[in-house]
Amino acid sequence: EDQVTQSPEALRLQEGESSSLNCSYTVSGLRGLFWYRQDPGKGPEFLFTLYSAGEEKEKERLKATLTKKESFLHITAPKPEDSATYLCAVQARAGKSTFGDGTTLTVKP
Amino acid sequence: NAGVTQTPKFRVLKTGQSMTLLCAQDMNHEYMYWYRQDPGMGLRLIHYSVGEGTTAKGEVPDGYNVSRLKKQNFLLGLESAAPSQTSVYFCASRGQIRSSSTDTQYFGPGTRLTVL
Repeated sequence: EDQVTQSPEALRLQEGESSSLNCSYTVSGLRGLFWYRQDPGKGPEFLFTLYSAGEEKEKERLKATLTKKESFLHITAPKPEDSATYLCAVQARAGKSTFGDGTTLTVKP
Repeated sequence: NAGVTQTPKFRVLKTGQSMTLLCAQDMNHEYMYWYRQDPGMGLRLIHYSVGEGTTAKGEVPDGYNVSRLKKQNFLLGLESAAPSQTSVYFCASRGQIRSSSTDTQYFGPGTRLTVL
């Protein structure tokens, strides 16, 4: 059975204080690993897709990396508007994806 | 493009009542999904569809039924609602990002359902 574990559950940072979120996964035949951002009361919004170990993608202050067992979402010099829940998901078989429980990030000014 | 839309946005049911949630997408995607999200938890897959006329069970299918009669619509039904089905329901469709080979799911705004 596919499993996704995200840590920490919650993370509080001061504005400008860089950190990383972790997504550990167990899956047979990874087809893709996805990162989403979710704001309160809204649906998840796509950030990145990673397909193979060693791959990295960047967008503004966010950078996602992938190994064979885990993915990291690095946040550099975060701002209050980066506060949200960040979700990780894996896709192993055609059409099916498994989500982690998310990390809730709070960035204080 | 409206993307993925969900109807209704909010609903309150009594135990034993039935209802249907409607999801529509205008991106011509083959894959569509229904998830539920409970407080402090991620998304759990209820049912999904890999194309018109097809459906498959996800992680938590009990108490729900689905239909995909048209490619653009994916319906989620609750035949006899229970308090344990109180949740936020998200629909998603999957396809490629424009001018890219990157594949992702596009989510609707959610339906907040309370079962008393």
